[in-house]
Amino acid sequence: DAKTTQPTSMDCAEGRAANLPCNHSTISGNEYVYWYRQIHSQGPQYIIHGLKNNETNEMASLIITEDRKSSTLILPHATLRDTAVYYCIVREAGSSNTGKLIFGQGTTLQVKP
Amino acid sequence: EAQVTQNPRYLITVTGKKLTVTCSQNMNHEYMSWYRQDPGLGLRQIYYSMNVEVTDKGDVPEGYKVSRKEKRNFPLILESPSPNQTSLYFCASSYQRGRGVTEAFFGQGTRLTVV
Repeated sequence: DAKTTQPTSMDCAEGRAANLPCNHSTISGNEYVYWYRQIHSQGPQYIIHGLKNNETNEMASLIITEDRKSSTLILPHATLRDTAVYYCIVREAGSSNTGKLIFGQGTTLQVKP
Repeated sequence: EAQVTQNPRYLITVTGKKLTVTCSQNMNHEYMSWYRQDPGLGLRQIYYSMNVEVTDKGDVPEGYKVSRKEKRNFPLILESPSPNQTSLYFCASSYQRGRGVTEAFFGQGTRLTVV
């Protein structure tokens, strides 16, 4: 699975959009980009995934560049409860060890009042 | 409500005293995993199971055992715990959404201290 690079930490004002970047320059054609977050030592929570098209769900939007070498997770109106560590994970579709996710260090997002 | 339930949430034990951390999921998922999380090392997979009676080692299996006798349960067993197994443990269950996309659901974690 391709390696990802994320900034260690970011701040965001409450109510503003939080844009979390991820670099995955070695991504291959059949690898998806997933985002998970972990709120204060709770279990990680799935947010969104994408292959090459932009995606949106009730939690967030995912923008993937045309060359797929980077992506941005967007929380459109961040709240204090969005303070968490955000993990960008690249994973091959249909990997034999279906449960395995390789977590890097992630980005610690601090949403401030 | 779809969930993965781990017990206990907190445990302090002594070196060498066998313990079991239970994990149960109510989503009928085939795939289940155990992870441990340590400062500076992130989350690392210990063991995984792709179905009943099918288990395999992850990245850090030493000192752990698992079993999968029923689809919903995936207990983690420490036969002889040592202080280096002090960690935060997570159980996860996963399913394939289609086109090879996997979504994982994690339990709330078990904080284990071995003294």
